[in-house]
Amino acid sequence: GQNIDQPTEMTATEGAIVQINCTYQTSGFNGLFWYQQHAGEAPTFLSYNVLDGLEEKGRFSSFLSRSKGYSYLLLKELQMKDSASYLCAARGYQKVTFGTGTKLQVIP
Amino acid sequence: EAGVTQFPSHSVIEKGQTVTLRCDPISGHDNLYWYRRVMGKEIKFLLHFVKESKQDESGMPNNRFLAERTGGTYSTLKVQPAELEDSGVYFCASTPNQVTEAFFGQGTRLTVV
Repeated sequence: GQNIDQPTEMTATEGAIVQINCTYQTSGFNGLFWYQQHAGEAPTFLSYNVLDGLEEKGRFSSFLSRSKGYSYLLLKELQMKDSASYLCAARGYQKVTFGTGTKLQVIP
Repeated sequence: EAGVTQFPSHSVIEKGQTVTLRCDPISGHDNLYWYRRVMGKEIKFLLHFVKESKQDESGMPNNRFLAERTGGTYSTLKVQPAELEDSGVYFCASTPNQVTEAFFGQGTRLTVV
């Protein structure tokens, strides 16, 4: 089976750094996605990690440890528009399983 | 390039009625997925098409749900008869292959009253 765990909610201050953690258990692991979803909108792709390590894309970075079944999404220089849900999703053999999402609230 | 489009964006129906949701994937994407998000819960996988074939339908809740993808282009998801617990947002996603990110549609918000 597949199981994804991530915190339900987080609050952070504008300009700060926040790390959203995700642990997963999946058979036939083929990679870990992070998606951003604003309320009422479709999830949009942020990152995809297949190999261990950190991948950086501007203000967003994503880390993966396959041996630990662990990933995190790091958001730097937070902006108010970063308030959204962040979905961790693990690709198994044929399908992608999502976590419940972490609702991030950025406050002034 | 047009993204994944879903129709309708919202649907309110009574318990016992039938509703058909449609998804048009990005042109050329062989893989099409249906997901559902019930309020307060995670996005859950429903099924996966490769072209017109159902690759995996292990997430379909029960036989009131029927998905089709005739011709390997657009897909429909029919709920008949609808029940209250079917309410949620139904997302469709497509990918050209199984190793790239999925592109999601805006979703159809279904409310069964």
